[in-house]
Amino acid sequence: QVQLQESGPGLVKPSETLSLTCTVSGGSVSSGSYYWSWIRQPPGKGLEWLGYMYYSGSTNYNPSLNSRVTMSEDTSKNQFSLKLSSVTAADTAVYYCARQYCGGGKCYDAFDIWGQGTMVTVSS
Amino acid sequence: SSELTQDPAVSVALGQTVRITCQGDSLRRYYASWYQQKPGQAPVLVIFHKNNRPSGIPDRFSGSRSGNTASLTITGAQAEDEADYYCKSRDTNDNDLIFGGGTKLTVL
Repeated sequence: QVQLQESGPGLVKPSETLSLTCTVSGGSVSSGSYYWSWIRQPPGKGLEWLGYMYYSGSTNYNPSLNSRVTMSEDTSKNQFSLKLSSVTAADTAVYYCARQYCGGGKCYDAFDIWGQGTMVTVSS
Repeated sequence: SSELTQDPAVSVALGQTVRITCQGDSLRRYYASWYQQKPGQAPVLVIFHKNNRPSGIPDRFSGSRSGNTASLTITGAQAEDEADYYCKSRDTNDNDLIFGGGTKLTVL
């Protein structure tokens, strides 16, 4: 059973870089054809997709983030990470990592495995 | 980029059938996936692709698509189905993913 766990600072100062890590257990970040993604949810609001990455290194980011986001993987630690630069209060949210659903030899545009989420507050 | 539009709130009487809709241009080309989120919890995938349910999701949940509208139907809603529901699809640029604004389902 694959599980994901987000970790990182719960408080980040404005203009600094938010850095989060998603640790994969019960599976490998480098296996299969999955894409791995980050999604966030501001308090009381809806879900926002931030980006996804494949093990191959191919990435795609939400254009609304204006090139502030970077995703990468560390196969030695079985983790993938998120960096969001120049943060403001608008970046305060619960951040989730998630994995694409693959089954029956096919992969689908859906997230079947999510981390529990980690709250990040941007404040001085 | 395109958008996915959901009604903010829907209610259903216990045991009755409810349809939650999601509208957007991208849905003419891509299927929606649907997520259930209860307070303080991570979202849970309930429907993906045409009308597929992950293991463990009750068969009272079903999905469909017509034109630019995707629908999640709960047949015989239960008290535990009270939650926020989000649709998700791929954008018309074929690269980005987009979520609908979410629908809060109340079971009366």
